[in-house]
Amino acid sequence: TQLLEQSPQFLSIQEGENLTVYCNSSSVFSSLQWYRQEPGEGPVLLVTVVTGGEVKKLKRLTFQFGDARKDSSLHITAAQPGDTGLYLCAGAEGETSYDKVIFGPGTSLSVIP
Amino acid sequence: DTEVTQTPKHLVMGMTNKKSLKCEQHMGHRAMYWYKQKAKKPPELMFVYSYEKLSINESVPSRFSPECPNSSLLNLHLHALQPEDSALYLCASSQQDRAQETQYFGPGTRLLVL
Repeated sequence: TQLLEQSPQFLSIQEGENLTVYCNSSSVFSSLQWYRQEPGEGPVLLVTVVTGGEVKKLKRLTFQFGDARKDSSLHITAAQPGDTGLYLCAGAEGETSYDKVIFGPGTSLSVIP
Repeated sequence: DTEVTQTPKHLVMGMTNKKSLKCEQHMGHRAMYWYKQKAKKPPELMFVYSYEKLSINESVPSRFSPECPNSSLLNLHLHALQPEDSALYLCASSQQDRAQETQYFGPGTRLLVL
């Protein structure tokens, strides 16, 4: 069974601190997405990574896809209260319509002013 | 434009009511999805439509009935729901019905069943 794990599950930090969230699997993924979700709202896509070793930057957010395409990390520099939310990683093992997107359990981030 | 819209934003219904959730996208995506999400949990897939045809039904109870009238619209008809069906219902779309395609989510409908 495909499984995506995320760590930590919960994270509470002060404004201005840096943090890293991890998404791990024993399976190889053809692509992986990171989403941020605020309470009562739908997940908002942050990034899609497809190439092993790929690094993408989105302002203060840096995303990395592992060389073996089994893991990914999200690093936030100088966190702000607006970064608060549930961070979900989602991945697909295969490329066909018979393969489903798998969601990790999420990391709930709280940035305290 | 990567917008998926959903209506209503909130819905309260009794167990004997019939209601419908609506989802719309104008990105030309050919795959559309319904998810159910409980608080602090990841979304759970319910249905997948590909080219307006139902391609995946994740053993969802028949009190949930999806419909895809055209390539831009997706409905979820609700009838005789249970209180445990209260959740955030999310619609998503992607270019094609392939797992590696990025899915774009709507804001969701917060459903409360009394």
